Amino acid sequence: EVQLVESGGELVQPGGSLRLSCAASGFTFSDHYMDWVRQAPGKGLEWVGRTRNKANSYSTEYAASVKGRFTISIDDSKNSLYLQMNSLKTEDTAVYYCVRVDRSGSYSFDCWGQGTLVTVSS
Amino acid sequence: DIQMTQSPSSLSASVGDRVTITCRASQGIGKALGWYQQKPGKAPKRLIYAASSLQSGVPSRFSGSGSGTEFTLTISSLQPEDFAIYYCLQHNSYPLTFGGGTKVEIK
Repeated sequence: EVQLVESGGELVQPGGSLRLSCAASGFTFSDHYMDWVRQAPGKGLEWVGRTRNKANSYSTEYAASVKGRFTISIDDSKNSLYLQMNSLKTEDTAVYYCVRVDRSGSYSFDCWGQGTLVTVSS
Repeated sequence: DIQMTQSPSSLSASVGDRVTITCRASQGIGKALGWYQQKPGKAPKRLIYAASSLQSGVPSRFSGSGSGTEFTLTISSLQPEDFAIYYCLQHNSYPLTFGGGTKVEIK
Protein backbone atom coordinates (compact mmCIF):
# COMPACT_ATOMS: atom_id res chain seq x y z
CA GLU A 1 0.00 0.00 0.00
CA VAL A 2 1.30 3.43 -0.96
CA GLN A 3 1.74 5.68 2.09
CA LEU A 4 3.02 9.21 2.56
CA VAL A 5 3.41 10.46 6.12
CA GLU A 6 4.37 14.07 6.78
CA SER A 7 5.86 15.38 10.01
CA GLY A 8 7.60 18.42 11.38
CA GLY A 9 4.85 21.01 11.38
CA GLU A 10 4.73 23.31 14.39
CA LEU A 11 4.42 26.90 15.56
CA VAL A 12 7.34 29.07 14.43
CA GLN A 13 8.02 32.79 14.63
CA PRO A 14 8.17 35.01 11.54
CA GLY A 15 11.67 34.93 10.09
CA GLY A 16 12.28 31.47 11.50
CA SER A 17 13.07 28.17 9.83
CA LEU A 18 11.47 24.75 9.80
CA ARG A 19 12.07 21.45 8.03
CA LEU A 20 9.18 19.21 7.07
CA SER A 21 9.64 15.52 6.33
CA CYS A 22 7.62 13.06 4.29
CA ALA A 23 8.22 9.34 4.76
CA ALA A 24 7.19 7.26 1.75
CA SER A 25 6.47 3.56 1.59
CA GLY A 26 4.85 1.01 -0.69
CA PHE A 27 6.48 2.13 -3.93
CA THR A 28 9.86 2.73 -5.55
CA PHE A 29 10.46 6.22 -4.25
CA SER A 30 13.31 7.16 -6.59
CA ASP A 31 11.15 6.51 -9.68
CA HIS A 32 8.63 9.24 -8.92
CA TYR A 33 8.46 13.00 -9.05
CA MET A 34 7.34 14.29 -5.63
CA ASP A 35 5.64 17.60 -4.85
CA TRP A 36 4.63 19.76 -1.92
CA VAL A 37 1.21 21.43 -1.90
CA ARG A 38 -0.12 23.71 0.83
CA GLN A 39 -3.50 24.94 2.00
CA ALA A 40 -3.90 28.00 4.19
CA PRO A 41 -6.70 27.75 6.77
CA GLY A 42 -10.07 27.97 5.03
CA LYS A 43 -8.44 28.56 1.64
CA GLY A 44 -7.76 26.66 -1.56
CA LEU A 45 -4.81 24.56 -2.65
CA GLU A 46 -1.47 26.06 -3.68
CA TRP A 47 1.38 24.21 -5.37
CA VAL A 48 4.69 24.82 -3.57
CA GLY A 49 7.28 22.89 -5.53
CA ARG A 50 8.56 19.69 -7.08
CA THR A 51 11.52 17.41 -7.15
CA ARG A 52 11.87 15.24 -10.22
CA ASN A 53 12.99 11.62 -9.94
CA LYS A 54 16.46 10.11 -9.72
CA ALA A 55 16.64 9.64 -13.50
CA ASN A 56 16.23 13.41 -13.77
CA SER A 57 18.83 14.12 -11.09
CA TYR A 58 16.23 15.18 -8.54
CA SER A 59 16.05 18.60 -10.18
CA THR A 60 13.56 21.02 -8.65
CA GLU A 61 10.90 23.61 -9.48
CA TYR A 62 9.31 26.13 -7.12
CA ALA A 63 6.39 28.50 -6.93
CA ALA A 64 7.39 32.15 -7.10
CA SER A 65 6.00 32.74 -3.61
CA VAL A 66 8.58 30.41 -2.04
CA LYS A 67 11.50 30.48 -4.46
CA GLY A 68 14.73 31.41 -2.69
CA ARG A 69 13.26 30.64 0.73
CA PHE A 70 12.17 26.99 0.45
CA THR A 71 14.29 24.03 -0.66
CA ILE A 72 13.07 20.55 -1.55
CA SER A 73 15.44 17.63 -1.08
CA ILE A 74 15.44 13.86 -1.09
CA ASP A 75 17.15 11.12 0.89
CA ASP A 76 16.39 8.04 -1.16
CA SER A 77 18.22 5.81 1.31
CA LYS A 78 15.45 6.72 3.74
CA ASN A 79 12.64 7.01 1.16
CA SER A 80 12.12 10.52 2.47
CA LEU A 81 11.26 13.90 1.01
CA TYR A 82 12.03 17.15 2.81
CA LEU A 83 10.94 20.76 2.65
CA GLN A 84 13.37 23.20 4.23
CA MET A 85 11.56 26.46 4.89
CA ASN A 86 13.56 29.58 5.75
CA SER A 87 12.61 33.23 6.30
CA LEU A 88 9.08 32.15 7.15
CA LYS A 89 6.25 34.65 6.82
CA THR A 90 2.80 34.68 8.40
CA GLU A 91 1.35 33.94 4.96
CA ASP A 92 3.20 30.59 4.94
CA THR A 93 0.79 29.36 7.60
CA ALA A 94 -0.88 26.31 6.07
CA VAL A 95 -1.29 22.57 6.05
CA TYR A 96 1.53 21.17 3.93
CA TYR A 97 0.88 18.05 1.90
CA CYS A 98 3.45 15.70 0.41
CA VAL A 99 2.17 14.43 -2.94
CA ARG A 100 3.27 11.69 -5.32
CA VAL A 101 3.19 12.38 -9.05
CA ASP A 102 1.73 9.65 -11.23
CA ARG A 103 4.39 8.19 -13.54
CA SER A 104 1.95 6.33 -15.76
CA GLY A 105 1.94 9.24 -18.19
CA SER A 106 -0.63 11.64 -16.78
CA TYR A 107 1.83 13.35 -14.38
CA SER A 108 -0.97 14.37 -12.06
CA PHE A 109 -1.09 13.83 -8.30
CA ASP A 110 -2.17 10.30 -7.51
CA CYS A 111 -1.42 10.01 -3.81
CA TRP A 112 -1.45 12.55 -0.96
CA GLY A 113 -0.19 12.45 2.60
CA GLN A 114 -2.42 13.47 5.50
CA GLY A 115 -0.72 16.86 5.85
CA THR A 116 1.20 18.66 8.58
CA LEU A 117 0.26 22.07 9.97
CA VAL A 118 2.76 24.92 9.97
CA THR A 119 1.78 28.02 11.91
CA VAL A 120 3.90 31.14 11.53
CA SER A 121 3.05 33.61 14.26
CA SER A 122 4.65 35.72 16.95
CA ASP B 1 1.40 31.56 -15.26
CA ILE B 2 -1.72 29.70 -16.33
CA GLN B 3 -4.82 30.86 -14.45
CA MET B 4 -7.51 28.28 -13.76
CA THR B 5 -10.96 29.82 -13.38
CA GLN B 6 -13.34 27.42 -11.71
CA SER B 7 -17.10 27.92 -11.59
CA PRO B 8 -19.33 28.05 -9.73
CA SER B 9 -17.51 28.70 -6.47
CA SER B 10 -20.35 27.01 -4.64
CA LEU B 11 -23.60 25.28 -5.42
CA SER B 12 -26.52 23.75 -3.56
CA ALA B 13 -27.96 20.54 -4.92
CA SER B 14 -30.15 17.65 -3.86
CA VAL B 15 -29.36 13.96 -3.76
CA GLY B 16 -29.94 12.58 -7.23
CA ASP B 17 -29.23 15.86 -9.03
CA ARG B 18 -26.84 16.13 -11.96
CA VAL B 19 -24.02 18.53 -11.14
CA THR B 20 -21.53 20.15 -13.51
CA ILE B 21 -18.39 22.08 -12.51
CA THR B 22 -16.27 23.96 -15.03
CA CYS B 23 -12.61 24.96 -15.18
CA ARG B 24 -11.27 27.35 -17.79
CA ALA B 25 -7.56 27.67 -18.41
CA SER B 26 -6.08 31.02 -19.45
CA GLN B 27 -4.16 29.22 -22.21
CA GLY B 28 -4.28 25.80 -23.77
CA ILE B 29 -3.16 22.89 -21.61
CA GLY B 30 -4.09 19.96 -23.79
CA LYS B 31 -5.51 17.31 -21.49
CA ALA B 32 -3.12 17.97 -18.59
CA LEU B 33 -5.87 18.43 -16.03
CA GLY B 34 -7.05 16.53 -12.98
CA TRP B 35 -10.04 16.82 -10.69
CA TYR B 36 -9.78 16.34 -6.92
CA GLN B 37 -12.33 15.97 -4.14
CA GLN B 38 -11.62 17.22 -0.63
CA LYS B 39 -13.73 16.54 2.45
CA PRO B 40 -13.36 18.54 5.68
CA GLY B 41 -10.12 17.82 7.53
CA LYS B 42 -8.94 15.38 4.87
CA ALA B 43 -6.38 15.40 2.09
CA PRO B 44 -7.65 15.78 -1.47
CA LYS B 45 -8.36 12.64 -3.46
CA ARG B 46 -7.93 12.29 -7.22
CA LEU B 47 -11.14 11.58 -9.15
CA ILE B 48 -10.15 12.22 -12.77
CA TYR B 49 -6.79 12.43 -14.55
CA ALA B 50 -5.81 13.38 -18.08
CA ALA B 51 -9.08 15.38 -18.22
CA SER B 52 -11.35 12.38 -18.74
CA SER B 53 -9.84 9.22 -17.24
CA LEU B 54 -11.56 7.88 -14.14
CA GLN B 55 -9.31 7.07 -11.19
CA SER B 56 -9.53 3.42 -10.20
CA GLY B 57 -12.06 2.91 -7.41
CA VAL B 58 -13.95 6.13 -8.09
CA PRO B 59 -17.67 5.64 -8.82
CA SER B 60 -18.71 5.86 -12.45
CA ARG B 61 -21.15 8.69 -11.69
CA PHE B 62 -18.09 10.95 -11.87
CA SER B 63 -16.89 11.90 -15.33
CA GLY B 64 -14.60 14.49 -16.86
CA SER B 65 -14.42 16.02 -20.29
CA GLY B 66 -12.68 18.74 -22.23
CA SER B 67 -9.33 19.69 -23.66
CA GLY B 68 -7.42 22.85 -24.43
CA THR B 69 -8.97 25.55 -22.27
CA GLU B 70 -12.38 24.27 -21.20
CA PHE B 71 -12.99 21.35 -18.85
CA THR B 72 -15.94 19.94 -16.97
CA LEU B 73 -16.48 17.58 -14.07
CA THR B 74 -19.93 15.99 -14.01
CA ILE B 75 -21.57 14.05 -11.22
CA SER B 76 -24.47 12.27 -12.88
CA SER B 77 -26.51 11.56 -9.74
CA LEU B 78 -25.31 13.29 -6.59
CA GLN B 79 -24.96 11.04 -3.56
CA PRO B 80 -24.75 12.07 0.13
CA GLU B 81 -21.03 11.24 0.24
CA ASP B 82 -20.33 13.62 -2.67
CA PHE B 83 -20.85 16.77 -0.63
CA ALA B 84 -17.34 18.18 -0.60
CA ILE B 85 -15.06 20.75 -2.26
CA TYR B 86 -13.83 20.01 -5.76
CA TYR B 87 -10.65 21.40 -7.34
CA CYS B 88 -9.15 21.25 -10.79
CA LEU B 89 -5.38 21.24 -11.30
CA GLN B 90 -3.41 21.98 -14.44
CA HIS B 91 -0.03 20.30 -14.72
CA ASN B 92 0.84 21.33 -18.26
CA SER B 93 3.41 23.92 -17.22
CA TYR B 94 5.07 25.43 -14.20
CA PRO B 95 3.89 26.74 -11.87
CA LEU B 96 1.19 24.12 -11.49
CA THR B 97 -2.07 25.89 -10.66
CA PHE B 98 -5.33 24.91 -9.04
CA GLY B 99 -8.78 26.28 -9.62
CA GLY B 100 -10.31 28.16 -6.72
CA GLY B 101 -12.57 25.27 -5.72
CA THR B 102 -16.28 24.50 -5.86
CA LYS B 103 -18.11 23.74 -2.64
CA VAL B 104 -21.00 21.35 -3.22
CA GLU B 105 -23.58 21.69 -0.46
CA ILE B 106 -26.84 20.01 0.40
CA LYS B 107 -29.97 21.86 -0.70
